[in-house]
Amino acid sequence: NAGVTQTPKFRILKIGQSMTLQCTQDMNHNYMYWYRQDPGMGLKLIYYSVGAGITDKGEVPNGYNVSRSTTEDFPLRLELAAPSQTSVYFCASSYTKNEKLFFGSGTQLSVL
Amino acid sequence: AQSVTQPDIHITVSEGASLELRCNYSYGATPYLFWYVQSPGQGLQLLLKYFSGDTLVQGIKGFEAEFKRSQSSFNLRKPSVHWSDAAEYFCAVEEGKTSYDKVIFGPGTSLSVIP
Repeated sequence: NAGVTQTPKFRILKIGQSMTLQCTQDMNHNYMYWYRQDPGMGLKLIYYSVGAGITDKGEVPNGYNVSRSTTEDFPLRLELAAPSQTSVYFCASSYTKNEKLFFGSGTQLSVL
Repeated sequence: AQSVTQPDIHITVSEGASLELRCNYSYGATPYLFWYVQSPGQGLQLLLKYFSGDTLVQGIKGFEAEFKRSQSSFNLRKPSVHWSDAAEYFCAVEEGKTSYDKVIFGPGTSLSVIP
């Protein structure tokens, strides 16, 4: 009964490094989302996907990339990390639109 | 593009008092509306949602919300707050028109409860 699993939970990056945040769900959900949460700003949508092979930009996509080769996995790629990308990242999924989002436990990322 | 505002950044109430958290959205049609709660260090949990029909919806943990089309609002209420309700509350909206709908969140309201 894993739900939405995010790895890693914590990471520190140096400016200019790259990394991939992993997200996997075992509920056969079609919709998957990546959000970042900054204090006082709520959750901002980075990218989302409505099914394998289909992705689209959210509110704050710059500096990130995603892919969705399978229904289960939706990794988020950070290229050339910048201090502005210091945040808590949440992955979420739902079976279809207008349904409850299931959230992962988050990844706390610091770029120094 | 749709947007969500939550005018109150932080609210403090006494345990046992009533609570109302405000949410306003900007969208031409009736969107799908949600309230989520986030306890410290946790992910988000759905409290309730509104799609259509009765404008007063009931959720978990004794929460309810009322959709008012004329005011573009979807305020969350609870008659008597418990100390365990201290958390961050997020209103969210989904356009609901196409398969490519996005779920957009408001900035959140932090709730503190005085024993």
